Amino acid sequence: SQQGEEDPQALSIQEGENATMNCSYKTSINNLQWYRQNSGRGLVHLILIRSNEREKHSGRLRVTLDTSKKSSSLLITASRAADTASYFCATAFPVPVKETSGSRLTFGEGTQLTVNP
Amino acid sequence: GAGVSQTPSNKVTEKGKYVELRCDPISGHTALYWYRQSLGQGPEFLIYFQGTGAADDSGLPNDRFFAVRPEGSVSTLKIQRTERGDSAVYLCASSQETSGRLGYNEQFFGPGTRLTVL
Repeated sequence: SQQGEEDPQALSIQEGENATMNCSYKTSINNLQWYRQNSGRGLVHLILIRSNEREKHSGRLRVTLDTSKKSSSLLITASRAADTASYFCATAFPVPVKETSGSRLTFGEGTQLTVNP
Repeated sequence: GAGVSQTPSNKVTEKGKYVELRCDPISGHTALYWYRQSLGQGPEFLIYFQGTGAADDSGLPNDRFFAVRPEGSVSTLKIQRTERGDSAVYLCASSQETSGRLGYNEQFFGPGTRLTVL
């Protein structure tokens, strides 16, 4: 079953506006990652935030993590038409193998963002 | 360098047939993952390899699904007696192992194989 739940399911904004997407999850995590997907293929990693971090920036992206509320948000500032895509949050927790960094990702159902020119 | 590649990009088969989907991870990445994504949904974990061994196959839906990675690089996902419900995009991802850093890895995804079972 999916752990992450994104909100909203769909978001339509004008170019230049900010877009905020939220993600909630249910169990303890090692980290939370945001991915972008165009046309149902090719997931692109955007940003990873660890469980001991509260905020992270990468270019026009800002991610926050609140482990007490089990939630995260992705903010895209000054959006562009090229930002139109589906955005997924994914939570990571360890697999039962000792001393490796492998970790299965559990994805939400995604937010479809449309940025109108 | 080259990213994760998957072949074929599209596969159409008939119900009951056997299919193989191939994944070439990024060179040097020891961890390899298979996910399945149905239309309008997020990817769902299937199986994870660390080197040649399947470290976690708890996501495989049933015994018709099997995956191998004999030399610790290329992996093949095998589906026997395909059913219409197997239709989905099958995604492969790889990551670089960092000893002792649990869950700190970024996963790099391939473009996927779109499987259609008629």
